[in-house]
Amino acid sequence: DQQVKQNSPSLSVQEGRISILNCDYTNSMFDYFLWYKKYPAEGPTFLISISSIKDKNEDGRFTVFLNKSAKHLSLHIVPSQPGDSAVYFCAAFGGSQGNLIFGKGTKLSVKP
Amino acid sequence: DAMVIQNPRYQVTQFGKPVTLSCSQTLNHNVMYWYQQKSSQAPKLLFHYYDKDFNNEADTPDNFQSRRPNTSFCFLDIRSPGLGDAAMYLCATSRDRLVMNTEAFFGQGTRLTVV
Repeated sequence: DQQVKQNSPSLSVQEGRISILNCDYTNSMFDYFLWYKKYPAEGPTFLISISSIKDKNEDGRFTVFLNKSAKHLSLHIVPSQPGDSAVYFCAAFGGSQGNLIFGKGTKLSVKP
Repeated sequence: DAMVIQNPRYQVTQFGKPVTLSCSQTLNHNVMYWYQQKSSQAPKLLFHYYDKDFNNEADTPDNFQSRRPNTSFCFLDIRSPGLGDAAMYLCATSRDRLVMNTEAFFGQGTRLTVV
C-alpha cells in the first residue's frame, strides 16, 4: 500500500517551458515533504522541501506547492533546462522514527 | 567531494552466499539509513541507526542485518541472499532525526546482483 504516489512514471517537456511533477500522499500525519533528483548511476540528491505549515516554497527555478486538504504536492520547474532531465522522487517524512517514505519517481526529459 | 561513499558500486554474489555492503560518511551525521530500491519501485527503508541506537523497520526480513562500528561507517549484511534481493542499495545520512529543515544525503548506491 503506497503512502506516497507519483502516478506519472515519465514526463517530457520542451526546453524553456514549465515542468510540473505531481505527488499524492495518503497519510495525514506526514508533516514534511522533500523532492530528490536522481541522475543515472548516482544517488538521489536533495532538491527542495516544504513543511506542512506552508503551502509554497521557492528556490530559484524550483517551486514546490502543497495542498494539504487534497494531500497533494507538486514541483514546478521554470524554465526547464536539458540538465534538469533526471528522475524526481517525492518523499514524505513519516513520523518520529525519521523514516522517509518515497514515491516511485517520475522521469523528466527536457528536450532542446 | 563525495560525502557519503558506498563500496562497492556493483556487487555480484552467489545465491545463499553472505555479502556485506559498506557505507562511510565524512559529514559526522548522527543518523545513517539503508534503503533498498528495486527496479521501477520507490526506495524502501530497511533500517536506520540513530548514533548507536538501531531501528529496524517492521517488514525488513531477518536476512538483512546492519552494523555501525563507529560514527563514520555502517554496513549492510545479507546473510543468505536470494534472487529477490537483487536491487540497488542506498545508504543515506542526516544530521539528526528527520524533522523540519533537515535533509538526508545519499550515497551513489550499490547495485547487487544475485546469481
